[in-house]
Amino acid sequence: EAGVAQSPRYKIIEKRQSVAFWCNPISGHATLYWYQQILGQGPKLLIQFQNNGVVDDSQLPKDRFSAERLKGVDSTLKIQPAKLEDSAVYLCASSLDRVAYGYTFGSGTRLTVV
Amino acid sequence: SQQGEEDPQALSIQEGENATMNCSYKTSINNLQWYRQNSGRGLVHLILIRSNEREKHSGRLRVTLDTSKKSSSLLITASRAADTASYFCATDEGNDMRFGAGTRLTVKP
Repeated sequence: EAGVAQSPRYKIIEKRQSVAFWCNPISGHATLYWYQQILGQGPKLLIQFQNNGVVDDSQLPKDRFSAERLKGVDSTLKIQPAKLEDSAVYLCASSLDRVAYGYTFGSGTRLTVV
Repeated sequence: SQQGEEDPQALSIQEGENATMNCSYKTSINNLQWYRQNSGRGLVHLILIRSNEREKHSGRLRVTLDTSKKSSSLLITASRAADTASYFCATDEGNDMRFGAGTRLTVKP
């Protein structure tokens, strides 16, 4: 079974620029999550999708972050404009049944804002 | 906001020794999960324990859960250099999972 695919693996941008991350979850996993992990901390949930609908985006900084999952499969997370404090690893995870099996994470995208 | 808090923040042991990491949380949970993260990689699901379970085993891993104390422990027996990683507990509160800051485990060969 293929895992959760994320791209790019690394990205360096200047502050105020925009950036987009892509995620393709495991086939058949209806639930998709984007997490932000700042160095030395645990992952923090940004947004949760169930199919193509948003379940929870309460911790997404909506003035600069946006995410979509138009066809209920792959997803894109965008930051515009980026700030220095957005430097982090952005992790995508998917789940067939979170309660029974937990999450499967992708390898993440490491973003550096300079 | 983070829910679980791991203790210790860092742990260094020799290969062959056992490693114990603890997690405390604050609210009622449905289940608690442990994940491993190797440097520069995503998180890997290790084990899930439900709120009505007290102990669970998977290979060299043993997890305990004490809901009265709102705490869990992860024991790795006969550690190997390849176990070097960060370990996170995650609590399932019903809508999503909240992760702690992790324990950084170093196993010296």
